[in-house]
Amino acid sequence: GAGVSQSPSNKVTEKGKDVELRCDPISGHTALYWYRQSLGQGLEFLIYFQGNSAPDKSGLPSDRFSAERTGGSVSTLTIQRTQQEDSAVYLCASSLGGWQFFGPGTRLTVL
Amino acid sequence: AQSVTQPDIHITVSEGASLELRCNYSYGATPYLFWYVQSPGQGLQLLLKYFSGDTLVQGIKGFEAEFKRSQSSFNLRKPSVHWSDAAEYFCAVGADTGGFKTIFGAGTRLFVKA
Repeated sequence: GAGVSQSPSNKVTEKGKDVELRCDPISGHTALYWYRQSLGQGLEFLIYFQGNSAPDKSGLPSDRFSAERTGGSVSTLTIQRTQQEDSAVYLCASSLGGWQFFGPGTRLTVL
Repeated sequence: AQSVTQPDIHITVSEGASLELRCNYSYGATPYLFWYVQSPGQGLQLLLKYFSGDTLVQGIKGFEAEFKRSQSSFNLRKPSVHWSDAAEYFCAVGADTGGFKTIFGAGTRLFVKA
């Protein structure tokens, strides 16, 4: 596609449920990033994939968060046993030469 | 470790006035530096980037930024602000360590008054 796409655009879930967020990067981009942006806050780095290398998971806030990237393309961010503090916009970005192209984000609301 | 500081949480300028948004970074080597803009309801968009070479870089929408190694700064400037520039601005630092992990500052929200 022409840009980074994310689905769903909005997700409302109940506390304790698991959620999966999807990111389709720009074709050919070798790097993929996940960030979290809470209301009025900056971007919090979560995880970074680069090619076939082991992902940099240093930003994941707890073991409830995990992500995978299949075939070097699509990525899924999974949040298990969601908590209210997980409510935020989750942004995905991809890059080839260093600067990132961002998707529109998924707004997650945990009730 | 990399870090980025944007000292101003929000700034208000009059339309037509000049603008400078501050960014300081911490990194052990020459960093790759970026400014992104996030308009209300819009995604993040790259304004400009510095990798090497000329320390004054030009970006889109009339923005420029100057890399000052001695001050560990990469301030964003615009000579004349337009109302449409009202947005959140993020400074970011990246490191090519076999990959390209990028850390973002907390952002500066720009308000433009008529």
